[in-house]
Amino acid sequence: GAGVSQSPSNKVTEKGKDVELRCDPISGHTALYWYRQRLGQGLEFLIYFQGNSAPDKSGLPSDRFSAERTGESVSTLTIQRTQQEDSAVYLCASSFAVEQYFGPGTRLTVT
Amino acid sequence: EDKVVQSPLSLVVHEGDTVTLNCSYEVTNFRSLLWYKQEKKAPTFLFMLTSSGIEKKSGRLSSILDKKELFSILNITATQTGDSAIYLCAGISAGGTSYGKLTFGQGTILTVHP
Repeated sequence: GAGVSQSPSNKVTEKGKDVELRCDPISGHTALYWYRQRLGQGLEFLIYFQGNSAPDKSGLPSDRFSAERTGESVSTLTIQRTQQEDSAVYLCASSFAVEQYFGPGTRLTVT
Repeated sequence: EDKVVQSPLSLVVHEGDTVTLNCSYEVTNFRSLLWYKQEKKAPTFLFMLTSSGIEKKSGRLSSILDKKELFSILNITATQTGDSAIYLCAGISAGGTSYGKLTFGQGTILTVHP
């Protein structure tokens, strides 16, 4: 079936605006993750959803970042009052067991 | 705080060379170590290592885990230009609220020249 999809693929926004990033996981995958990757750096964990359990939000860098997931389907990552340091590629991954399958990412540029 | 460190950060070789990429980890309730190859935006899965001393192999790539010394290596023999990518390793924890959370290293940028 289809892999993990993310939208938009690219987003340019002005500093101070809110943005919403979307992730469609692979059907049947109970776990969903959001990561941030700044240029030239490794992946930084943001948040993890597993079924109906409370999400692990320990990686969210500030209260401007939030994420929701409806059941075991779509997730949205919202960044409020964007700052230039939020510019990065935001990757979503889903898994059924341990191996994670990544989406193509959303490249966010804050001007 | 969980930490994964990769070395070298970048590597430039010629086709046909053999390379060894290193990954050391400090992960609470460690479960497994994963290697990914990242060419465009999304990393693609290479190996998952859970047991010490058992080599995983896929074509010219192989990897092994040492849980006593807390490190893993990824070997690529007879490198090709198509091997040029960022190679990421990640430790995955198990149990409690951290189950399934990956901690990624900063990656090794491999460039293979013809």
